[in-house]
Amino acid sequence: SAVISQKPSRDICQRGTSLTIQCQVDSQVTMMFWYRQQPGQSLTLIATANQGSEATYESGFVIDKFPISRPNLTFSTLTVSNMSPEDSSIYLCSAIGQGARETQYFGPGTRLLVL
Amino acid sequence: RKEVEQDPGPFNVPEGATVAFNCTYSNSASQSFFWYRQDCRKEPKLLMSVYSSGNEDGRFTAQLNRASQYISLLIRDSKLSDSATYLCAVRPSGGYNKLIFGAGTRLAVHP
Repeated sequence: SAVISQKPSRDICQRGTSLTIQCQVDSQVTMMFWYRQQPGQSLTLIATANQGSEATYESGFVIDKFPISRPNLTFSTLTVSNMSPEDSSIYLCSAIGQGARETQYFGPGTRLLVL
Repeated sequence: RKEVEQDPGPFNVPEGATVAFNCTYSNSASQSFFWYRQDCRKEPKLLMSVYSSGNEDGRFTAQLNRASQYISLLIRDSKLSDSATYLCAVRPSGGYNKLIFGAGTRLAVHP
């Protein structure tokens, strides 16, 4: 299975600022994703991070608010831009490993609180 | 209608009980189905994939009913350590391998 790490693990930010979350996988993976989990809610897919090209965003999420990079097969970043308290959430990176037969693993998440 | 819906919970059961969760999905062309377990303040972890023929892993049994578009998870002989939120996840057809999650069902096993 792929081991996924994220940093920071948590942060408290002021409204109007931006935060970049990093996701590192310990092996090459085919697909990487970013999810959001708001308090007491399930996971909502933000976007699929595509290597070397623009991410594919889900309905309700836009690149200006959540720019994503994936420069190689094992690393991706998600930026939460111009934050407001409504962005307070857990942000999770996820990946499907090569040869993993669809199994999708999750990183430990980044807990974000926006004041 | 949500794409993936689960029993609302919470389920409070005594140790040793058998408990079943259901999950319905709206896209009849969905390809793959999974159950994840999420402990409080932790990331989801894959519990098991759900195959057409049904599958079992120890005390856990997962079933798929394509005609009625639901999947189920049965836990036998519940342990205290089974207390968690159980999320069903569905991979829609042609969906870039993304997963759509249900809201989760909370299980609390008590002594």
